[in-house]
Amino acid sequence: GENVEQHPSTLSVQEGDSAVIKCTYSDSASNYFPWYKQELGKGPQLIIDIRSNVGEKKDQRIAVTLNKTAKHFSLHITETQPEDSAVYFCAASTPDLMGSTLGRLYFGRGTQLTVWP
Amino acid sequence: EAGVAQSPRYKIIEKRQSVAFWCNPISGHATLYWYQQILGQGPKLLIQFQNNGVVDDSQLPKDRFSAERLKGVDSTLKIQPAKLEDSAVYLCASSPRGGDYYEQYFGPGTRLTVT
Repeated sequence: GENVEQHPSTLSVQEGDSAVIKCTYSDSASNYFPWYKQELGKGPQLIIDIRSNVGEKKDQRIAVTLNKTAKHFSLHITETQPEDSAVYFCAASTPDLMGSTLGRLYFGRGTQLTVWP
Repeated sequence: EAGVAQSPRYKIIEKRQSVAFWCNPISGHATLYWYQQILGQGPKLLIQFQNNGVVDDSQLPKDRFSAERLKGVDSTLKIQPAKLEDSAVYLCASSPRGGDYYEQYFGPGTRLTVT
């Protein structure tokens, strides 16, 4: 099955700085890569996603890049704010054996981001 | 739009006891997922339903875990008997059916502690 590696496990930045979280995946058939933010005591919340036919996607202060050849993708947060502090998870989805788009998500181990005011 | 609802939010049981979790997905979402999230790790899929049929239960420890989704809406996940290593947060997620609808929306989870 798919294996997703995520780095770093912890990241501390000063407010206003940028933060970058990197993930690699093993299955070249993976075609959907979401990023989730999880605050303490809450479920993961989808913040941005990218499909395999796109190299980059941006939404305000958040951007994701995908390099299919190298099988890695990254989350970029600019102008970080204290409320960005949370655990961030990357994930990859591989179509199931029938080629369905309802393939399971494989998650990385998470990055604890702390933004200091 | 209401999100995914789960109950209870917290549960403490002794090993060898049984426990059940309930999930109500977002209205109209045909696909429902149960994940197990052990402290310090990412969620791991236990079972996936499409309407009331099982799509993927390859990671479900079937000797002690069971799940059902009657009428293709609500779902329950049961553990019997529980082990210490079952201590985790159990997350339910739902997704619209098929096509380009990959997005999964998560509930708040149920934190299970087995003593």
